[in-house]
Amino acid sequence: NAGVTQTPKFQVLKTGQSMTLQCAQDMNHEYMSWYRQDPGMGLRLIHYSVGAGITDQGEVPNGYNVSRSTTEDFPLRLLSAAPSQTSVYFCASSYQGVDSYEQYFGPGTRLTVT
Amino acid sequence: GQSLEQPSEVTAVEGAIVQINCTYQTSGFYGLSWYQQHDGGAPTFLSYNALDGLEETGRFSSFLSRSDSYGYLLLQELQMKDSASYFCAVTGGFKTIFGAGTRLFVKA
Repeated sequence: NAGVTQTPKFQVLKTGQSMTLQCAQDMNHEYMSWYRQDPGMGLRLIHYSVGAGITDQGEVPNGYNVSRSTTEDFPLRLLSAAPSQTSVYFCASSYQGVDSYEQYFGPGTRLTVT
Repeated sequence: GQSLEQPSEVTAVEGAIVQINCTYQTSGFYGLSWYQQHDGGAPTFLSYNALDGLEETGRFSSFLSRSDSYGYLLLQELQMKDSASYFCAVTGGFKTIFGAGTRLFVKA
């Protein structure tokens, strides 16, 4: 199993550009989520999905779109990049059961917006 | 909404025991998790508490008191490799929200 994979690992964008961060998992997890991590602020939830075709907003959804057409893939789209979106982005997946909410994280995408 | 508080930094000596506290406010609480993150790496899962009490996994233990909205992570027999950031996270209503993290420094 590859677990959770993310591409690209690094990306530099100019203000106003758009791009899609890719995330895929091969564990057949229903739950997937996107977080951003800024220095000293921990992980903040951007969007999440409880299954194919179902997505919802997290704490900081503005400027980002998501879709979930398959169980495996959960791409994150930046519509018009801004310097405030410079961050490390983590995708995670989990099996949601009453006894565990263990999330498996991808290696992250380090995004710089100039 | 959901919010969590944990200390920003803790320093301890190799071989010692350290406790990292976490208090939270949330609606629709399912459980409290702990994650470890080394510099430049991704968070990795350590433990999950859905019910009150202590959960033990090797050198790490985690405690939850739902009535006090409080939990802690206990690390025993500290090793240099335990130097990392530790995050508590609450899950409720399909959302998992993380605290800002506690940076643990282990000294020789």
